Amino acid sequence: GENVEQHPSTLSVQEGDSAVIKCTYSDSASNYFPWYKQELGKGSQLIIDIRSNVGEKKDQRIAVTLNKTAKHFSLHITETQPEDSAVYFCAASKGNNNAGNMLTFGGGTRLMVKP
Amino acid sequence: NAGVTQTPKFQVLKTGQSMTLQCAQDMNHNSMYWYRQDPGMGLRLIYYSASEGTTDKGEVPNGYNVSRLNKREFSLRLESAAPSQTSVYFCASSTTGGSGANVLTFGAGSRLTVL
Repeated sequence: GENVEQHPSTLSVQEGDSAVIKCTYSDSASNYFPWYKQELGKGSQLIIDIRSNVGEKKDQRIAVTLNKTAKHFSLHITETQPEDSAVYFCAASKGNNNAGNMLTFGGGTRLMVKP
Repeated sequence: NAGVTQTPKFQVLKTGQSMTLQCAQDMNHNSMYWYRQDPGMGLRLIYYSASEGTTDKGEVPNGYNVSRLNKREFSLRLESAAPSQTSVYFCASSTTGGSGANVLTFGAGSRLTVL
């Protein structure tokens, strides 16, 4: 089955700096890679996702890059703000409209943005 | 719109006791899921229900049972709790996002401690 490794497990940055979280996956058939943000006391929410036919996707201060050959993908947050502080999870799946194609999650990264 | 609601938020059990975690969604989603979250291990799927009337095992089903009571509700039962089941449990439901893949909406979590 799929195995997703996520690094680092904790990341501390100054407000305004950039933050990068990296994930690797093992199953070359995976083609859908979402990122979820979990704020304290809340459930995780999808913040951005990418499919394997795209190398990069941006949404305001957040971007995700994908290297299919190397089987890794990364989350980039620019101009970090205190409200970006949360636990971030990457995930991988074969990504079609089938509940049986489950997401495999990475271990999570706790991001702390210091004011 | 409440989204995904799960109860209780906190529970302490003694080894061997039983309990049921309740989950309900009001978004008319077909698929529902139960995950557990342990430090450094991300979210691991316990059971899922692709549609009303069906349930399937996920990655870590041992020691758990589920019931898809109707389209809205999906409960998780621990028949004889063990300390290894100390975890934070998340219920989720899903629909198909713009990318064609399942987009999960999570509940706020239930912290279970088994002594």
